[in-house]
Amino acid sequence: DAGITQSPRHKVTETGTPVTLRCHQTENHRYMYWYRQDPGHGLRLIHYSYGVKDTDKGEVSDGYSVSRSKTEDFLLTLESATSSQTSVYFCAIAPGVNTVEQYFGPGTRLTVT
Amino acid sequence: AQRVTQPEKLLSVFKGAPVELKCNYSYSGSPELFWYVQYSRQRLQLLLRHISRESIKGFTADLNKGETSFHLKKPFAQEEDSAMYYCALIYGSSNTGKLIFGQGTTLQVKP
Repeated sequence: DAGITQSPRHKVTETGTPVTLRCHQTENHRYMYWYRQDPGHGLRLIHYSYGVKDTDKGEVSDGYSVSRSKTEDFLLTLESATSSQTSVYFCAIAPGVNTVEQYFGPGTRLTVT
Repeated sequence: AQRVTQPEKLLSVFKGAPVELKCNYSYSGSPELFWYVQYSRQRLQLLLRHISRESIKGFTADLNKGETSFHLKKPFAQEEDSAMYYCALIYGSSNTGKLIFGQGTTLQVKP
């Protein structure tokens, strides 16, 4: 497995609380992505980063923010968690774009009660 | 708008039978398509990409622009092929690498 870790791996939180998920890589790849995986929807891109401090929105960015202050870390924040954000969250990294493979982390299972 | 559709949620076949996992796409530009696979308790990983025209683990996929399809095929299924399969499309400008995924198809290969 590529050097990608996600923390925490599991989290249960209450509606309205802020939550931050961390993706850490040891590959020095430029591109990092956050996806959510839901039954019937596959994976959907939330936000991505194309360099330190360079981020942009994906398909389903409402209610989420990201930050990337170092090459190795990409943080996903739910400012005020809602039950609709219960999901499995995957981080991915890539050295380049387009035809280059994306490498996925192990996922974080988030439950918002 | 770009879209990837996998019409089957579940495909169940017997070992040794041929397999075809369907994928259709909608995209106005020149498509770059991939198949990703997630085995039980493993990470999502790339299976193959259309541009390399390779065969991985006996699987092949041909891009058919006329039918806007990128179906995944294997002539003889093995039990270890049981997994979730996702078709994906790169979209957006060339410097983003953004992927849009289909809904996924679970392949179940019975002994």
